[in-house]
Amino acid sequence: DGGITQSPKYLFRKEGQNVTLSCEQNLNHDAMYWYRQDPGQGLRLIYYSQIVNDFQKGDIAEGYSVSREKKESFPLTVTSAQKNPTAFYLCASSIFSGTGGNEQFFGPGTRLTVL
Amino acid sequence: AQRVTQPEKLLSVFKGAPVELKCNYSYSGSPELFWYVQYSRQRLQLLLRHISRESIKGFTADLNKGETSFHLKKPFAQEEDSAMYYCALKAGNTGKLIFGQGTTLQVKP
Repeated sequence: DGGITQSPKYLFRKEGQNVTLSCEQNLNHDAMYWYRQDPGQGLRLIYYSQIVNDFQKGDIAEGYSVSREKKESFPLTVTSAQKNPTAFYLCASSIFSGTGGNEQFFGPGTRLTVL
Repeated sequence: AQRVTQPEKLLSVFKGAPVELKCNYSYSGSPELFWYVQYSRQRLQLLLRHISRESIKGFTADLNKGETSFHLKKPFAQEEDSAMYYCALKAGNTGKLIFGQGTTLQVKP
């Protein structure tokens, strides 16, 4: 089962610690995205990257950081500055198309719990 | 402001009944809209997009620019349709999507 993978599936963090969530894709997609999914709030965009070595803040970037050193990889770091990090995190990728309808492919998600 | 609103958190219907999941959007340009679905223990996946004007698994959705709506419809619900449904708006040329809050569809036997 290729496509887009996320690890770990479950992650526990103590308050004050930074943690990094992994996202890898073998779809040769240019664009990658990180979302946070909370009950009743839908998916909210944290960061996105349209090309290697470039990324932009989404709607809720505070307390998070990303890197895009390789096309296949888009890791997300949840820092101690994030006030309410307990959530389900989804990574997605797509062929970047500024004009056409582009389908985003989603990973299985990582559930982060702060103890 | 760009926004997607799904007014119902939960929609519960009996098998064979018609289904309509509501989606309203706010966008100043020409919208591109999608419906994504998340079945239990499965990944979020694309169900349909308005530019394709397709019917997937019996579902259709028509873009109504006058009412700024993109409601998802199916004439006869099946138990396997039970899932979380998200309406999404493509925001400009960046490729990023704005999602609604999601509606859980529960189809009872």
